[in-house]
Amino acid sequence: DTEVTQTPKHLVMGMTNKKSLKCEQHMGHRAMYWYKQKAKKPPELMFVYSYEKLSINESVPSRFSPECPNSSLLNLHLHALQPEDSALYLCASSQNVLSGNTIYFGEGSWLTVV
Amino acid sequence: GDSVTQMEGPVTLSEEAFLTINCTYTATGYPSLFWYVQYPGEGLQLLLKATKADDKGSNKGFEATYRKETTSFHLEKGSVQVSDSAVYFCALRKETSGSRLTFGEGTQLTVNP
Repeated sequence: DTEVTQTPKHLVMGMTNKKSLKCEQHMGHRAMYWYKQKAKKPPELMFVYSYEKLSINESVPSRFSPECPNSSLLNLHLHALQPEDSALYLCASSQNVLSGNTIYFGEGSWLTVV
Repeated sequence: GDSVTQMEGPVTLSEEAFLTINCTYTATGYPSLFWYVQYPGEGLQLLLKATKADDKGSNKGFEATYRKETTSFHLEKGSVQVSDSAVYFCALRKETSGSRLTFGEGTQLTVNP
């Protein structure tokens, strides 16, 4: 079962709200990722966790705060977002960070900031 | 830096036509290569992959061969169906670039009945 589950599927939030996106996988993967995808563009890497430790932050603004509570869960905390942050947020996982491992993506969370 | 170039879309075909989506890459070393597909309103699904030169990835009638001499990984399918309508992304991944997937810009495919 190659499944990465994301909730919520859709989220609308105001610029002063605090919300969280959640991601879960039960494949025993030890690398988890957050990507951001704008319409008609490829996904852009935001964060990488390897063995529950943050290993890559692609200079993402601090209004996005990732958290990896355990090896199966990944959260993305959102605060004081801007309308331009509206996008599809994709969680992904892989066995580890080695290049030959497949990265499996979730269905995504559609975020609209109003 | 590393990069992936895909043929520009959109591509429109009739059902049962032959499909080729070109993908070339620029990278040092020995990247792994992937094709992902994104159906409307959904996340990305792995379609196929190849991890070394001359490997052929295949899945659901799609095929791609890792050609190091031409730095290419072209996607082919002999007979497309309406259900193949989606955006296709070619991507590479290298040990020395950490965990990063480098994506092409994507190719929109529409198959008409």
